[in-house]
Amino acid sequence: GENVEQHPSTLSVQEGDSAVIKCTYSDSASNYFPWYKQELGKRPQLIIDIRSNVGEKKDQRIAVTLNKTAKHFSLHITETQPEDSAVYFCAASGGSGYSTLTFGKGTMLLVSP
Amino acid sequence: SAVISQKPSRDICQRGTSLTIQCQVDSQVTMMFWYRQQPGQSLTLIATANQGSEATYESGFVIDKFPISRPNLTFSTLTVSNMSPEDSSIYLCSVVQGANEQFFGPGTRLTVL
Repeated sequence: GENVEQHPSTLSVQEGDSAVIKCTYSDSASNYFPWYKQELGKRPQLIIDIRSNVGEKKDQRIAVTLNKTAKHFSLHITETQPEDSAVYFCAASGGSGYSTLTFGKGTMLLVSP
Repeated sequence: SAVISQKPSRDICQRGTSLTIQCQVDSQVTMMFWYRQQPGQSLTLIATANQGSEATYESGFVIDKFPISRPNLTFSTLTVSNMSPEDSSIYLCSVVQGANEQFFGPGTRLTVL
């Protein structure tokens, strides 16, 4: 089955800096890669996703890149703010039709004012 | 996106008892899942709740321990049976909408004494 590795496990940045979280996956058939943000005590929230026919996708301060050849994808957050502090999870799914999500272990992002 | 609710939001239970968690969606959805999130950990898929048929369980999860019902396209229940302290976790339901985007319920925080 699919295996998703996520790095780093923790990331501390100063407000205004950029943050990058990286994930690798094992199943070359995977074609959907969402990112979730989970604040303390809250549910995971879908913040951005990318599909295998696209190399990059942006939404304001966040962007995701995908390299299918290398089987890795990354989340980029620019101009970080304290409210970006949360745990971020990457996930992967693939195959024909809909298939289940396999999650990475998560990255705790701390943005200091 | 769909509005997803779960009951109860939290519970404290005694070892050996069972708890049934409800997940209600405000619109009909085809795909519904149940996840477990142990303290400080990532999300692990328990099973796919299939409407009108038996749930599909992931490796390591069995029907006798986690029976699931899905009587219609807006509702599902997960029962945690014969609980032990190791079952203390957050249990989340999720639904698929749009082009495979998956959205989570608020979760049920279970503590087993």
